Amino acid sequence: AQSVTQPDIHITVSEGASLELRCNYSYGATPYLFWYVQSPGQGLQLLLKYFSGDTLVQGIKGFEAEFKRSQSSFNLRKPSVHWSDAAEYFCAVLSFTGTASKLTFGTGTRLQVTL
Amino acid sequence: DTEVTQTPKHLVMGMTNKKSLKCEQHMGHRAMYWYKQKAKKPPELMFVYSYEKLSINESVPSRFSPECPNSSLLNLHLHALQPEDSALYLCASSHPRGTNTEAFFGQGTRLTVV
Repeated sequence: AQSVTQPDIHITVSEGASLELRCNYSYGATPYLFWYVQSPGQGLQLLLKYFSGDTLVQGIKGFEAEFKRSQSSFNLRKPSVHWSDAAEYFCAVLSFTGTASKLTFGTGTRLQVTL
Repeated sequence: DTEVTQTPKHLVMGMTNKKSLKCEQHMGHRAMYWYKQKAKKPPELMFVYSYEKLSINESVPSRFSPECPNSSLLNLHLHALQPEDSALYLCASSHPRGTNTEAFFGQGTRLTVV
């Protein structure tokens, strides 16, 4: 069955420092992968997606992610973190059943930003 | 317009009440979803409607009853809920298949069962 693993439950970085959030996937075929961000009590906002093609994908808010098939990873990066980036980050994989699709989420990584 | 609108934002209901959550999108998406999210946990899929037909039911108790009246609307009818059903309920929509199947989420309904 398809799944994603986010090994880091909680990460703290200083404002202006670089960030990398890890995501490992388990999927038989080429996966469709996503990163979402969620502020407390809010819905999920899509940061970026990978379907195929270029393995380095750019997203909103200065985020990027790199798909590495050899490592089954899809890590999220940002060169310089802002205090407003503090939130919960979810990696997700898409699977298809008949005419429907569904997302399976990792357990999330909570990002704390210190000033 | 990439917005999914959920109403109400907050709901408190007793265990004998009947209430409904509503979700609306105007992006032309033909797939709509209900997710349940408990505190400090990832969203868990409950139901998927594809082309207005129930396609996936993740073994959700019958006290949750989804309805898709048309391609823009999705409801979740609630009856005889338990306190453990208190959670953030998220609606999402997407194209059902293909390379533009990214899901857009609403802001959620915070449900408290007393």
